[in-house]
Amino acid sequence: QVQLQESGPGLVKPSETLSLTCTVSGGSISSDNYYWSWIRQPPGKGLEWIGDIYYIGSPNYNPSLKSRVTISVDMSNNQFSLKLSSVTAADTAVYYCATKLITLNWFDPWGQGTLVTVSS
Amino acid sequence: EIVLTQSPATLSLSPGERATLSCRASQSVNSYLAWYQQKPGQAPRLLIYDASNRATGIPARFSGSGSGTDFTLTITSLEPEDFAVYYCQHRRKWPLTFGGGTKVEIK
Repeated sequence: QVQLQESGPGLVKPSETLSLTCTVSGGSISSDNYYWSWIRQPPGKGLEWIGDIYYIGSPNYNPSLKSRVTISVDMSNNQFSLKLSSVTAADTAVYYCATKLITLNWFDPWGQGTLVTVSS
Repeated sequence: EIVLTQSPATLSLSPGERATLSCRASQSVNSYLAWYQQKPGQAPRLLIYDASNRATGIPARFSGSGSGTDFTLTITSLEPEDFAVYYCQHRRKWPLTFGGGTKVEIK
């Protein structure tokens, strides 16, 4: 069973770039069986899909964030990452990484999530 | 973008009662709809996928139904561990979106 763990700074200053990493265990990031995804949840609010990446090909991003988001895969470290530029307080959220089996195509499992606060 | 509207926002029930949660899509998503359960401080967990299929390890008291634009999640007899927030999500097309959630609370 694949397991996921997010890591990265818990505090980012406004206008800077948020950078998070998701470490994959129990499976290979270069497997053709999975999509790798980021989802976020502002405190007390609902879920917002950020984007997906396959180990090859171009990522898919939420149009609402597309101009500021980059998702990439690091095969050497079995990780994938999220970069969100020009952050504001509205980007304060719990950020989850998740995976989707190609044959299932739903988010399962998820990482535990990491809270990122945007504040000076 | 497909908008998913969940109702009610809050459902107050007692253990043993039946819970019926609704998710309505702004356009057809065929059967490309899932339900997730989220408990405080935890990540969401997949419950139901493709509208009516239980995910691995999900008890039989959880069931999903519907297609097109109207979907229902039913919990036949609430257990104490079922009090949580439930989200629906579609994958009909990008962007993937979630509903706003229904909180099932203890009455």
